[in-house]
Amino acid sequence: KQEVTQIPAALSVPEGENLVLNCSFTDSAIYNLQWFRQDPGKGLTSLLLIQSSQREQTSGRLNASLDKSSGRSTLYIAASQPGDSATYLCAARISYNQGGKLIFGQGTELSVKP
Amino acid sequence: DTGVSQNPRHKITKRGQNVTFRCDPISEHNRLYWYRQTLGQGPEFLTYFQNEAQLEKSRLLSDRFSAERPKGSFSTLEIQRTEQGDSAMYLCASSTRDRGTYEQYFGPGTRLTVT
Repeated sequence: KQEVTQIPAALSVPEGENLVLNCSFTDSAIYNLQWFRQDPGKGLTSLLLIQSSQREQTSGRLNASLDKSSGRSTLYIAASQPGDSATYLCAARISYNQGGKLIFGQGTELSVKP
Repeated sequence: DTGVSQNPRHKITKRGQNVTFRCDPISEHNRLYWYRQTLGQGPEFLTYFQNEAQLEKSRLLSDRFSAERPKGSFSTLEIQRTEQGDSAMYLCASSTRDRGTYEQYFGPGTRLTVT
């Protein structure tokens, strides 16, 4: 059974700092992995999707990496800003259920202080 | 494309009442998903449709829950005889086989409060 874990549960950093959010999964047979952002009381915004054949994806100040062998993904945020404050969720789609459900971690709540 | 829309955005109901939520996916997305999210947790999968066919249901979807997607367009999620434990955010997502990724796009959610 696939389980997804995110550590830490909460993170507070000063503005301008580079930071890394961690995501681990127990079953390396994943189809892809998505990173989402969620603002309080809102839905999820997709940030990056990494296919199982890829090592990383980049969008602006965000870079996500994937290491299937170790069961880990990281989201790197460069030069953090107060507007980055939100909860970040990672979610894995397992290989044999390619079009189906995402399995989510519990999220990391990020606070960027001005 | 307009995004995924959900209605209502908020629903307060008394225990024992029935409620129904609606999700309109991105047009031409053939897959539609329902998730439930409680405070401080990640979303949990409930069910998904490909066109009008319901392909998978979680064991979280008790017999009080039913979902439909008539004609493969919008979907409804009904909860009968609501309980306080049903209080949560109900999220809908849609996807299509774009570049083989099935990337899921989420709606704003419906927050249910059962009193």
